[in-house]
Amino acid sequence: GQQVMQIPQYQHVQEGEDFTTYCNSSTTLSNIQWYKQRPGGHPVFLIQLVKSGEVKKQKRLTFQFGEAKKNSSLHITATQTTDVGTYFCAQGGKLIFGQGTELSVKP
Amino acid sequence: SAVISQKPSRDICQRGTSLTIQCQVDSQVTMMFWYRQQPGQSLTLIATANQGSEATYESGFVIDKFPISRPNLTFSTLTVSNMSPEDSSIYLCSVRFGYEQYFGPGTRLTVT
Repeated sequence: GQQVMQIPQYQHVQEGEDFTTYCNSSTTLSNIQWYKQRPGGHPVFLIQLVKSGEVKKQKRLTFQFGEAKKNSSLHITATQTTDVGTYFCAQGGKLIFGQGTELSVKP
Repeated sequence: SAVISQKPSRDICQRGTSLTIQCQVDSQVTMMFWYRQQPGQSLTLIATANQGSEATYESGFVIDKFPISRPNLTFSTLTVSNMSPEDSSIYLCSVRFGYEQYFGPGTRLTVT
């Protein structure tokens, strides 16, 4: 089945720095979703992207879907300690998850 | 949205035994999903459970090992049978409303 590759696996940033995680697929995706999982918690839905080139913003979070619908990114501006967690992309009707990017923020 | 509860929240079990995990949703849903998240790993779909029919299992997961029940539209159980240490994971149930997927708090299973 379709798989999405997510990088980086880990990212350590100083509070206030930006953060980006990327998802890439070898095939065209119908949509892509992003989830956040806090340490010890369960995944929480953030957003879904459907259209080619789509960009959506949620406060300091910016989500992009590539023109070819084969890649997506999540960018966090000026990270805060509350952003700590693992960010997953997921795609398809069966919701196949990427490997996740674990973000740690040093205050 | 949905509120999902799972029981137990965690358990420590001996190899060779079985554990049944319960999932309760506060709304009626057609499909319920069961995922496994091994330590430090991503989520892997085990099976999809529709009310009134047999669950559909993903590659690598079989009914004998992970039997699922779905007696009504708000409840499902997943049994982890004949456990081994490799089954130590977090097991999460999940439901979908529209395109948003909601997850239960998970059951943390340790097999010794």
